[in-house]
Order: sequence, then C-alpha cells, then structure tokens
Amino acid sequence: KAGVTQTPRYLIKTRGQQVTLSCSPISGHRSVSWYQQTPGQGLQFLFEYFSETQRNKGNFPGRFSGRQFSNSRSEMNVSTLELGDSALYLCASKAGELQETQYFGPGTRLLVL
Amino acid sequence: KNEVEQSPQNLTAQEGEFITINCSYSVGISALHWLQQHPGGGIVSLFMLSSGKKKHGRLIATINIQEKHSSLHITASHPRDSAVYICAVPGSARQLTFGSGTQLTVLP
Repeated sequence: KAGVTQTPRYLIKTRGQQVTLSCSPISGHRSVSWYQQTPGQGLQFLFEYFSETQRNKGNFPGRFSGRQFSNSRSEMNVSTLELGDSALYLCASKAGELQETQYFGPGTRLLVL
Repeated sequence: KNEVEQSPQNLTAQEGEFITINCSYSVGISALHWLQQHPGGGIVSLFMLSSGKKKHGRLIATINIQEKHSSLHITASHPRDSAVYICAVPGSARQLTFGSGTQLTVLP
C-alpha cells in the first residue's frame, strides 16, 4: 500500500496570506489527524477527522481549519498567516477511531515571511 | 491534561552501547506511543503499547501502568539509530499529547 502523502512539501508565504495543505491517507484509512511541529512548542495536535467529521480539535485559533472528503483525503487551511505559523505540518492516518498505530506523512514545511 | 516528561533531552552514545530513554506521564492512559523522527522530518511509529513489553529487532519498549512510566531501549546501538525519539499519550478526547523528544546521537 502507498503511504501517507502530503502536498506540497515546501511552501513559502507572506504574512496575511492563506494556505491550504493536503493529505492523502493510506488506502482504507478513515481517520486523519493533523499536527504542527515547531522548535519552541514541539509537536502539537491540531485536529482529527473521521468519516468527514471533525472529532477533536486542539488548542489553536479559528484561523486553523480543516475538512475531510468522502475519499478520506483531508485538507487544512490557515488564514491570515502569522510569522509564528512557520512550522512543519504533519498529517497521520489510521484505520479506525480507536487508539491504534498512526502512520505519518512526510510533512509540509511552511515558512511565513 | 496529560503532562508528558521525557529524559534525557539529549543523549550521545558510542556505537554498540545500550541506550535507555524514559517517559513519564501524569494521567492514566490506555496506550502509549513511541515515535522516531529522522532529520528530514519524517515520523515513524515504533510501538504502541498498553502493558508489559514489546520488542522489534534491537528496539524494546516497556511500560509500567501503575507507575505511569515507559522506557525505550536500544540494544547494540548504531549510527543509523541517530534520531529524535518521542513518546506520546492520548488525552481525554483521545488526541495525542507529545513529549519534548530525546535527541539521540550514536557515534561510530
């Protein structure tokens, strides 16, 4: 099976712009989670989607949003970008809702100038 | 909120040494995850365990649910083991909370 893919891999934006990141889970996986990783805060949970429904949301402002499509692919959107949004954004997929191994994508590295 | 503490933050070892990384958490959990992150950023799930011990190759993970503590051991360490090792536990809403990671460098 193909692994989790994320596009784009690298992105440079300026403050105030918005960005959309995409994640394609492993075939058959219905759960997609998004994480932000920065040198200062480490890995932090953004949100989790299962069968097109947001199941959990982390402690991030409303500028961060996401959605999941019927084919389980997921997108996250960040509006009105700030310098502090520069980070590695990772998505991970798993088959179901329970605690199980998550499979991570390679990440999208976002730089906000 | 589950607090996750990892130690040490940085670890340098000589090739062949036995390595131990520790993880403590504050609230009882159903399972704990150990992850490996290489310099390029990609993360690999090493283990998910809820009790006892799991082994995969030279990697061994143990967990003591009563003491809220887990350890990751690497036997016969090799330079390719150099990476950041991260433990993670689920919160009340099942979302993962991560430790700050242990940067391991294995010298040849």
